Amino acid sequence: EVQLVESGGGLVQPGGSLRLSCAASGFPFIVHSMNWVRQAPGKGLEWVSYISVSGGTIYYADFVKGRFTISRDNAKNTLYLQMNSLRAEDTAIYYCARETRDDAFDLWGQGTMVTVSS
Amino acid sequence: SYELTQPLSVSVALGQTARITCEGNNIASKNVHWHQQRPGQAPVLVIYRDSNRPSGIPERISGSNSGNTATLTISRAQAGDEADYYCQVWDSGTGVFGGGTKLTVL
Repeated sequence: EVQLVESGGGLVQPGGSLRLSCAASGFPFIVHSMNWVRQAPGKGLEWVSYISVSGGTIYYADFVKGRFTISRDNAKNTLYLQMNSLRAEDTAIYYCARETRDDAFDLWGQGTMVTVSS
Repeated sequence: SYELTQPLSVSVALGQTARITCEGNNIASKNVHWHQQRPGQAPVLVIYRDSNRPSGIPERISGSNSGNTATLTISRAQAGDEADYYCQVWDSGTGVFGGGTKLTVL
């Protein structure tokens, strides 16, 4: 089955860290760029970060620059998001999304919830 | 930074046509993608590159893009079309989503 499965979310205190994972299966992970997108409770979608197939090109939204790090392990078919210095406003469902050659997100995971609270 | 503006809500009678707009400066120069998100579910791509449908998306869902406005059109609206719809583009390596439009089928 073609799917993306996120994990690693949870409750963390402000200033803390979390590492999210996104396991890909059913398709050749190595040929797709990948992204993280988040959605705060009751709010819209917000793009977080992009990584190219080799990991050589990476982009971040301004609100996570210097705090979040995207990476991938093509041997393990897994995408990661290391989140440091977390803030209350980072509370959201975090989705990983596969990108097509047309730059569209054609496959989404079910999301993992991150709650930043004391 | 580039911004996309969508109406907060659109209502359509069952069986009629709904149009959801997405406004951005010279948006016609960009590839616009549309995602549908039903309550409690992950988003699903319904239109890519302005007007193309992924496999499994019905023909009654279509898209267009001209000038400063991209439009998602849903013909013969069904109850199952009730969802939030988001437009999305890329701008200088940054992903940009519209604020989303809640479609209500009456």
